[in-house]
Parts: sequence; structure tokens; C-alpha cells
Amino acid sequence: GQNIDQPTEMTATEGAIVQINCTYQTSGFNGLFWYQQHAGEAPTFLSYNVLDGLEEKGRFSSFLSRSKGYSYLLLKELQMKDSASYLCAVAVEAGGGNKLTFGTGTQLKVEL
Amino acid sequence: DTAVSQTPKYLVTQMGNDKSIKCEQNLGHDTMYWYKQDSKKFLKIMFSYNNKELIINETVPNRFSPKSPDKAHLNLHINSLELGDSAVYFCASSASPGRGGLNEQYFGPGTRLTVT
Repeated sequence: GQNIDQPTEMTATEGAIVQINCTYQTSGFNGLFWYQQHAGEAPTFLSYNVLDGLEEKGRFSSFLSRSKGYSYLLLKELQMKDSASYLCAVAVEAGGGNKLTFGTGTQLKVEL
Repeated sequence: DTAVSQTPKYLVTQMGNDKSIKCEQNLGHDTMYWYKQDSKKFLKIMFSYNNKELIINETVPNRFSPKSPDKAHLNLHINSLELGDSAVYFCASSASPGRGGLNEQYFGPGTRLTVT
């Protein structure tokens, strides 16, 4: 099975930088995804990492260390609209495809 | 142009009833999924189909039966609804993952099911 941990809640200030950590234990690791979910809406894809290192996409970056079972999502120049839940998800091989197992999500609140 | 659509958006029904949720995607994807998100916001995979074939079947009560008439549609039928089935059900789709490949999943807007 998989075990995925991420903080339940975080608070940050508009314009600042915030790092959301995710640690995981799994077998058959095929990559790690980050999703954003606003209240009452569907999760939307942010980024994924397959190899160790940093992937940058605009204000969002994601880092992966496979040997440490660790990832983080970095959000820069925070905006009020970034207040949402951020879901870490581990992909494992299953049934000839990839299965995503999600963490419980980190609720980020951006304040003025 | 909705990529992944679900109907209905809200569903309120009584215990013991049978209900269906429909999902359609117009992204040309080969793989579709059903997820359940409970009141604690925990999102958990239920089923996955690739080209109309079941490839992932998590430990879900057999009251839940998915059906994929073609690769653009994946419906979920639930028999004998229970209070614990109340949740938001999300459909998603992705391109075929392929061995070692990763393709992001696109989620539908969700169906909020309330069983009374």
C-alpha cells in the first residue's frame, strides 16, 4: 500500500512564498503529481515529477527526491486566489496502467 | 466546450434507492476513472477503464457497478444506496498512461450525492 503525508493546513501572506511538503512510502513508484482544488470544485493539475529535481511552471515549482520519498510544491508571489487545497498524489503501476493515490490535501489560506 | 462532464451535478435520494451518474469526455482520452471524495475531502480511486476494459477495481462494495459503453463514456450505477455513500463523486480521464509514462488526469465537476 501507499502512505502519503502532507500538512493539514498552512497560512501565508499575499506576495510571499510558501512551500508545501509531501512525504510518501510506496512500492512501484511511477511519479508524483500535484493538484489544486478550490472549495466546491474539481481538482486541477498543477505539475508532476518523475525524476529527481525541480520542475518549474510559472509561479509554481515542484521538487522530487525519490530516494527520500519527498516532494514539495513551491508557490511564489502568492495571490488571494491561491487559497485552496493542494493535493499530493503518488502514481503507482496497477493493472497495466497508472493508479493515483492522493494525500489528504493541504488547505492553504492566503491572507492580506 | 466542457472537457469532462458529469450528470447530474447534485443528487439527493433515499436509502435503498438505485441511482446512476453519467460521465463523458471529449478529450479523445483512452482511460477514464471514478473517484470518491468523502466529507473529510479525501479523494480515493474506485475504478479505472482503458478502452472500455476495467483495469483498476479498488475495494469497493459490489453495489457499485461501472459501465463503459465506449471510451468516451464511463457511467457509475449504485444499487441499494446507503448513508455512507454520501460523497462527491468525480469522474476523470487521461491519455493512456503506457508503461512508465505519466499523463495527467482531467477531472469532471463532480456529482454531490446525498443519501437521506
